[in-house]
Amino acid sequence: AAGVIQSPRHLIKEKRETATLKCYPIPRHDTVYWYQQGPGQDPQFLISFYEKMQSDKGSIPDRFSAQQFSDYHSELNMSSLELGDSALYFCASSSDSDTQYFGPGTRLTVL
Amino acid sequence: QKEVEQDPGPLSVPEGAIVSLNCTYSNSAFQYFMWYRQYSRKGPELLMYTYSSGNKEDGRFTAQVDKSSKYISLFIRDSQPSDSATYLCAMTSSNTGKLIFGQGTTLQVKP
Repeated sequence: AAGVIQSPRHLIKEKRETATLKCYPIPRHDTVYWYQQGPGQDPQFLISFYEKMQSDKGSIPDRFSAQQFSDYHSELNMSSLELGDSALYFCASSSDSDTQYFGPGTRLTVL
Repeated sequence: QKEVEQDPGPLSVPEGAIVSLNCTYSNSAFQYFMWYRQYSRKGPELLMYTYSSGNKEDGRFTAQVDKSSKYISLFIRDSQPSDSATYLCAMTSSNTGKLIFGQGTTLQVKP
């Protein structure tokens, strides 16, 4: 069965640089979620989109923005990167009749 | 205090043992309850998904939800070394809402 696809899988950036993470949901899933997981921490909700509109917002810094496109894929844009942004970033997708399935994650390292 | 509490362990058991993992929560609005398994540096993998109170069984795994006590459990029968991972409970108030995770319990099953 098709799963959530995330790219890139690994990303290394310098402080103050920008990064763009991409997420391709499971086919026919119309809702996308972004989570951040720090070392030894549980995933923390950042933001979600339903039918290309923002549906909920969590503890996402103002330096981050995201959107969902007409093909339902989503991108998380991160600017002015800080050392503390180093984490695993997960995308999950769901539909009305199904719960959230997670992608493999993008490991972001900020140097 | 976190909305969802989970003993982080680590929990070490011999192969073949029955494992019991638990979470408590404070938000009575939670209606959907999940258990995810996460191997090191991988995405959370959905194990069990339960709506409201009751039991659900899938192979060696049984999930229980007691909404009156705000307590959920995951039982693993005949545990295997391949079950060694971090187990995260998660819950939400709506099927398409953000997930609130417990801290995760690290399980090691020794051969």
